[in-house]
Amino acid sequence: KQEVTQIPAALSVPEGENLVLNCSFTDSAIYNLQWFRQDPGKGLTSLLLIQSSQREQTSGRLNASLDKSSGRSTLYIAASQPGDSATYLCAATGNQFYFGTGTSLTVIP
Amino acid sequence: EPEVTQTPSHQVTQMGQEVILRCVPISNHLYFYWYRQILGQKVEFLVSFYNNEISEKSEIFDDQFSVERPDGSNFTLKIRSTKLEDSAMYFCASSTEDTAQETQYFGPGTRLLVL
Repeated sequence: KQEVTQIPAALSVPEGENLVLNCSFTDSAIYNLQWFRQDPGKGLTSLLLIQSSQREQTSGRLNASLDKSSGRSTLYIAASQPGDSATYLCAATGNQFYFGTGTSLTVIP
Repeated sequence: EPEVTQTPSHQVTQMGQEVILRCVPISNHLYFYWYRQILGQKVEFLVSFYNNEISEKSEIFDDQFSVERPDGSNFTLKIRSTKLEDSAMYFCASSTEDTAQETQYFGPGTRLLVL
C-alpha cells in the first residue's frame, strides 16, 4: 500500500524567505503527484500537478519537482508571504489518491 | 468560477442513525469522489464514481457506506448506521477526467459529529 510522508510537519518562516516542503512516497508506480493547499476549516485547493513523465511544474512563485525513482517530490515557494500560511498536502495518484500528512506553514509578517 | 458545493456544512447525529451528505459537483465534470479527514489525521480516499457506478473504493468504504447520483446534479454519500469513529470532515470532489490525467476540485466539506 502506498505510504506518503511529508516533512517537516510544521514550519515557521519570516516573510520573504524561500522555502522547500518535502514529500516522499513508497510506491513509484504513480500516475501523477499533486500538491494541495488546505486552509483551516476549508476544502483543498489544487496548486500543481506533475505527471509521472514530468520532472517539474511551475505556477507563479511555486515550483514542484518530482523524482519518481527516489520516491520524492518537493514544493518550492519563493518569496513567501503571510497569505501563504496554510497546510500543504501532497498526494500520490494511483488507482486511488494517497495523501501525505501535511506541512503546516506559518509565514510571519 | 464554478465550484463544488456541499450541504450541510455541519451535521450532528446520534450513533446508529443514518446520514446523507450532499454534494453538487461542477456541472461539466464526469468523475466524482468522496474523502474523509478525521481530526488531526490524513485525508483518506473513500470512493470514486463514474458513469453511474463505483470505479474504485478503499477498504474504509464498507457496506455501511453507499453513494448515489440521484439526478443530474447531486452526488450523495450515505452512511447507514453511524458509529462514533465516523466523526470526520467529509469532502466531495469532482473532475473532468480521471485522476491520472486531471486534478480534482474539492468542496468545502461537511463536518460530521456522531454522538
